Amino acid sequence: SQQGEEDPQALSIQEGENATMNCSYKTSINNLQWYRQNSGRGLVHLILIRSNEREKHSGRLRVTLDTSKKSSSLLITASRAADTASYFCATIIGGNQFYFGTGTSLTVIP
Amino acid sequence: ETGVTQTPRHLVMGMTNKKSLKCEQHLGHNAMYWYKQSAKKPLELMFVYSLEERVENNSVPSRFSPECPNSSHLFLHLHTLQPEDSALYLCASSPQQGVDTEAFFGQGTRLTVV
Repeated sequence: SQQGEEDPQALSIQEGENATMNCSYKTSINNLQWYRQNSGRGLVHLILIRSNEREKHSGRLRVTLDTSKKSSSLLITASRAADTASYFCATIIGGNQFYFGTGTSLTVIP
Repeated sequence: ETGVTQTPRHLVMGMTNKKSLKCEQHLGHNAMYWYKQSAKKPLELMFVYSLEERVENNSVPSRFSPECPNSSHLFLHLHTLQPEDSALYLCASSPQQGVDTEAFFGQGTRLTVV
């Protein structure tokens, strides 16, 4: 399977804490992307990190990539209740086929 | 809103029914996708259309039949489904090429097969 796997499957934290979720993948990549999904809705693109990058920031999001370990992590700092959602990493095969993992379900308790 | 619209949002159908899911985008994208999302499973890539031609099938059962009449519209025709086909069906689109392309998703159709 070309799909990634996120870890942990579920994460519950208090508002204001940081949330870290990890992704492992199997194939060589040009980039790795993170998406967010609110319950029962579509996925929304959050951030993309290229294979030659090690770290990238966007607002309260920080993504790292370790291509030698085929892994990535997403850090959400100073979490808010509105961050409650599922988070997925995605890799692209063949230029336009997006493969997603099982996701991490994040609950931020107010 | 991502610019990708799916209808209907909810659908309940019997195993002998025939129904269709519709997806529409006016983002100028040339690739469109159907995904199936079941509880506790990875998103399953069902079909990929690139420039209106199907490029990926992923061994999807024939009771699911996609149709892409033009680059803006994508359908998923359903017939004689099974209860295990109940899931959230997501449509997505992306620009045709580009190393850094991203996927834009619709809100999904929640399908229940009874």
